[in-house]
Formats: sequence, structure tokens, C-alpha cells
Amino acid sequence: GIQVEQSPPDLILQEGANSTLRCNFSDSVNNLQWFHQNPWGQLINLFYIPSGTKQNGRLSATTVATERYSLLYISSSQTTDSGVYFCAVVPWAGANSKLTFGKGITLSVRP
Amino acid sequence: EPEVTQTPSHQVTQMGQEVILRCVPISNHLYFYWYRQILGQKVEFLVSFYNNEISEKSEIFDDQFSVERPDGSNFTLKIRSTKLEDSAMYFCASSRVDTQYFGPGTRLTVL
Repeated sequence: GIQVEQSPPDLILQEGANSTLRCNFSDSVNNLQWFHQNPWGQLINLFYIPSGTKQNGRLSATTVATERYSLLYISSSQTTDSGVYFCAVVPWAGANSKLTFGKGITLSVRP
Repeated sequence: EPEVTQTPSHQVTQMGQEVILRCVPISNHLYFYWYRQILGQKVEFLVSFYNNEISEKSEIFDDQFSVERPDGSNFTLKIRSTKLEDSAMYFCASSRVDTQYFGPGTRLTVL
């Protein structure tokens, strides 16, 4: 099946710093989603972005489908950004099929 | 904004007991999913459901698991005889076209 690799596995930032989180995937996709898992375990949808660029406030994401990677940018980080960030994909041939998740990136933002 | 809801938020059970986890997907969605996350690990797919039948299931989804959509709004996951290794966070998700929206999860603890 499709492989999803996220890097770095852990990231520690000072409040106010910017960061880039990366997601590589091994095959063409028709769905790519970024999630933030908060300290209560909830998975919060950040972006649906199988290709192109989107922005939502301090967060933006870019997926380069032809090169099989996606980047999540966090600007002016806040302590509430702490948590685990997951990338998840559905292969091109599997419309409405299961999401395959990466192992996640643990972000700690220090005040 | 419509949300996926799940009940209960936390369930504690004895090994060998049956549990039913409940989900109310977003009302106009057609595709329904269950995922689970063992503590500290990535999110894993269990089963997908469309048009009142299972459309895909993982190796984890063995004979002790079943899903049902008993009415027009609820979607349930039943574990017939729980094992210690079933302790995990269970997420329900739904989609209409592409983006999968996740519920807040049910934390299942098997003693």
C-alpha cells in the first residue's frame, strides 16, 4: 500500500517562530489531508489539499503532487499550536477510500 | 457548522465484554469510516461503509468487530469480546465527496 513519511518526527519552537512540516508519499493521491491532534486527542481538520496551495490564518499548506510531497507552514507559532500534526492520504485509484496516516510530527511551542 | 459526534467519550470495560461505540455522521454524508489509534501510535483504518454495506476493511477488522447503520442517523461499531489490545481511541469519520471529517473519538479502556 501507499507509504506516508513525515518529518521531522519532533519539533520544538519558541513562541513566535515559524516552522515547516513535511509529508512525503509514495504514490499518486486524490486526497491529502492535514490534521492537528490536540492534547485531548481530537483530530482537527486543517486542510484538504491534494494539490496546490491553501492558507488559513497563520497556517498554509502546499502540495506538489507531481513530486509527491506536501508542506505545512506555521507562522508566528503560539503555545496552542502544540500537539501532533498528521498527514493522511488516499491513493489516486481509491476515491472515497481509507485514509492512510503518517506517524505524525510532535510540535512543542514554548512560551 | 455540522460535526460528527461520538458517544460515549470514554468507555471502560472488562476483558471479554461487548461494547458498542456510537457515532452520528454529518447528515448529508454518504461514506462512513471507523479508525483507531493506540496510545502514542498513528491512526489506523478499520472499516468503511457505503450504501448500507461494508466497502472496505482492514486486517484488524476481524470477526469480533461489526458495524451497523441501524437508522438514518447513527453508525455503530460493536466489539463482541473485548481484549486488552483493543484499548485505543476510536474515531468515526464521514465524507460526502472528498474531505473526511472526524468525530472527537471514544477512548476505550479494556481492563
